Amino acid sequence: QSALTQPASVSGSPGQSITISCTGTSSDVGSYDYVSWYQQHPGRAPELMIYDVRNRPSGVSNRFSGSKSGNTASLTISGLQTEDEADYYCSSYTSTNTPWVFGGGTKLTVL
Amino acid sequence: EVQLVESGGGLVQSGGSLRLSCAASGFTFSRYWMHWVRQAPGKGLVWVSHINSEGSNTGYADSVKGRFTISRDNAKNTLYLQMNSLRAEDTAVYYCVRRGFPAALHWYFDLWGRGTLVTISS
Repeated sequence: QSALTQPASVSGSPGQSITISCTGTSSDVGSYDYVSWYQQHPGRAPELMIYDVRNRPSGVSNRFSGSKSGNTASLTISGLQTEDEADYYCSSYTSTNTPWVFGGGTKLTVL
Repeated sequence: EVQLVESGGGLVQSGGSLRLSCAASGFTFSRYWMHWVRQAPGKGLVWVSHINSEGSNTGYADSVKGRFTISRDNAKNTLYLQMNSLRAEDTAVYYCVRRGFPAALHWYFDLWGRGTLVTISS
């Protein structure tokens, strides 16, 4: 059981927008703006896409955006492209005994 | 080139030990907090351990506490993970990961290695 809850899968067509949710608790997502998102293509290492809820690292497309409301953070990908097909993981700082938690991951399929 | 390269993975029997290494290059390794994150086959990411830039502060997931030890050698730009009393559930790809700098302001992982596979046979 992952500490953060993500949908197992989402899908969309090229050009469309999709949103992946990441639900935590008041011990993590709800109390800290330290949510990050990672993209992982099959057989590859994860790559940072969003940090501190809504910030993009240099080099990441502005089609990727993040937000948060209450205990739920979201990753939105607009103008879907075939290369966006990958697994996406959220992560957050947590005030529990383990300082870092991840979501279970969401498989994005671009139809 | 800024990169992290893990090594030391392999097949070990349950109860055995392994030592993973992670060679850092292209950045000032001694400034950064470093972590190990693992991913079991077909599963999600799980945080394992962290160490501060000086090597004086460490932390572990409950599942590995008392069995794994993280360390670093800043002179050699290398991170380590000593894994003892290995169990089948420790089977995973282990990633060496860099935390954003400065650590006090950055709670995310901005650089990942390609990982090393650890397989525990029962």
